[in-house]
Amino acid sequence: DVKVTQSSRYLVKRTGEKVFLECVQDMDHENMFWYRQDPGLGLRLIYFSYDVKMKEKGDIPEGYSVSREKKERFSLILESASTNQTSMYLCASSLPGTGAREQYFGPGTRLTVT
Amino acid sequence: DAKTTQPNSMESNEEEPVHLPCNHSTISGTDYIHWYRQLPSQGPEYVIHGLTSNVNNRMASLAIAEDRKSSTLILHRATLRDAAVYYCIEVGGYQKVTFGTGTKLQVIP
Repeated sequence: DVKVTQSSRYLVKRTGEKVFLECVQDMDHENMFWYRQDPGLGLRLIYFSYDVKMKEKGDIPEGYSVSREKKERFSLILESASTNQTSMYLCASSLPGTGAREQYFGPGTRLTVT
Repeated sequence: DAKTTQPNSMESNEEEPVHLPCNHSTISGTDYIHWYRQLPSQGPEYVIHGLTSNVNNRMASLAIAEDRKSSTLILHRATLRDAAVYYCIEVGGYQKVTFGTGTKLQVIP
């Protein structure tokens, strides 16, 4: 079974802190994605990557950056956390050629910025 | 904004079939229709996908209208474990998708 793991289930940070959310997949997937999920807004795509060192902006990239130095790891970075970035963050991965089809999601990180 | 339209919520009795509808009014000819579901406190999981033909797998069936403007996810016998939020999405060639708010399915014992 594909496994996508995220570094923390719950995280509390202060406004202005630099925050790293880590995602690791163990199935040699080419494509990886970061979403945030908020009540009433569904899942919104922040960034995605279809290869090592490649990244593409999603629908809401402002205030975020990403890093993909190794194929299995995709990091989401909040350079200066703000309270409006309090949310559930979900990472996903998929095989090449499947595009965004058959994405495998991690359990999510619930981030609270105070 | 989400490209698809789904009812906010639906109810079903346990062991009854459930038909979850989705409208794809702006779908392009090459977009695949995907369904995911999200159980409480978990990340979404892939359910099924199709392009033009109806599809079946161990989890569900997917019926796609001939004009592709609508699709229906069919759970043949709902169980309490099927209570979840169900998302239909359109997946094109740029590997970018937009999830909407989905349909919250409640299964009544």
